Amino acid sequence: QSALTQPPSASGSPGQSVTISCTGTSSDVGGYNYVSWYQHHPGKAPKLMIYEVSKRPSGVPDRFSGSKSGNTASLTVSGLQAEDEANYYCSSYAGSNNLGVFGGGTKLTVL
Amino acid sequence: EVQLVESGGGLVKPGGSLRLSCAASGFTFSYTWMSWVRQAPGKGLQWVGRIKSKADGGTIDYAAPVKGRFTISRDDSKNTLYLQMNSLQTEDTAVYYCTTVGSMTPYSWGQGTLVAVSS
Repeated sequence: QSALTQPPSASGSPGQSVTISCTGTSSDVGGYNYVSWYQHHPGKAPKLMIYEVSKRPSGVPDRFSGSKSGNTASLTVSGLQAEDEANYYCSSYAGSNNLGVFGGGTKLTVL
Repeated sequence: EVQLVESGGGLVKPGGSLRLSCAASGFTFSYTWMSWVRQAPGKGLQWVGRIKSKADGGTIDYAAPVKGRFTISRDDSKNTLYLQMNSLQTEDTAVYYCTTVGSMTPYSWGQGTLVAVSS
């Protein structure tokens, strides 16, 4: 199973919005509504920010939103804050015979 | 509150073995699918494997790079997940995370334990 494709970097100024894309295939992203997004600050545990394409776990600010169109999923962070600077990974279910697949990660910089 | 605490990491020589443990609390462990995910230095996240609850059959799935060398198990009486790693290779060097699995994805994560394979 190939990794999902994410841009290596993204950036925005405080208060702005930024969108990170995650491209897969019809066998993963496009085939199921099980796309998730993780925020990872180096040295800390990854944190689930979005699951099932657009749902937020309890405690995740509504500044974080997810969507999907065809084989591409997106994470949008609105009202950027300094603490949003981190690595972001997408992940997708890929069928009952697979564990799933992660993206390569996007480093988000808050300018 | 969900708590996952990994232990057992360390430095091991190529070809060696190591067993990681993950002590779980704050949720009904026996009903929960669990997984191991790793991150090699400078790399992204990678599935290691997943174990379903016994109620869902207890099936274990492994990622191709570790199949045949790693074994995942669980002790529901101790609320503990294990990862037995044999025939370790330098490319297995990574931080290993224990996670719950919900909505077909790693949900809650532990802090991770570092495994370094080097001669």
